[in-house]
Amino acid sequence: DGGITQSPKYLFRKEGQNVTLSCEQNLNHDAMYWYRQDPGQGLRLIYYSQIVNDFQKGDIAEGYSVSREKKESFPLTVTSAQKNPTAFYLCASSSGDRTSNSPLHFGNGTRLTVT
Amino acid sequence: DAKTTQPNSMESNEEEPVHLPCNHSTISGTDYIHWYRQLPSQGPEYVIHGLTSNVNNRMASLAIAEDRKSSTLILHRATLRDAAVYYCILRGVYSNTGNQFYFGTGTSLTVIP
Repeated sequence: DGGITQSPKYLFRKEGQNVTLSCEQNLNHDAMYWYRQDPGQGLRLIYYSQIVNDFQKGDIAEGYSVSREKKESFPLTVTSAQKNPTAFYLCASSSGDRTSNSPLHFGNGTRLTVT
Repeated sequence: DAKTTQPNSMESNEEEPVHLPCNHSTISGTDYIHWYRQLPSQGPEYVIHGLTSNVNNRMASLAIAEDRKSSTLILHRATLRDAAVYYCILRGVYSNTGNQFYFGTGTSLTVIP
């Protein structure tokens, strides 16, 4: 079955360490996205990529970095510069075609706890 | 960026219909209306989307106002598995700034047995 895989499901890190969250999709989608969700809040866009080797900042990109070297993969690095990194991180993809009716497909998220 | 407004929470009895409202008064002519739902500790799941006409699928129906400034997600018979947070979002046309989806805080639906 096609889908999006995020790993690991739970991640614990010490403050000051960088950590990379994995996101892989086998849906052959061009566009991929990273969102952050805090308790009781909606989703906020961190970074997105419309095509391989290209990515753009979302609303809350500070303290994060991404790469898009392969169509299937869009890893997110949470750096030590992110002041409040503990959150639920969601990766998504869409076909990215030039119509606006293709839905988002989400992974099941990674819950990051930094102490 | 077009935004949506939804009630924070709603309740429904099991096996009764549920109408979840969404206001999007700043919608542009090319924005699609998407609905997603999220169960605790899971990623959001696509439910339905539409542009102007009402839409039906196996999960739900989407009723869009004639002026497109509001829409309603209809669950015909609520089950306990429908208890989730429902997000109504607008997706604009592909542009140089990217086709971004903007999520609000959604409506938390409680289904009462």
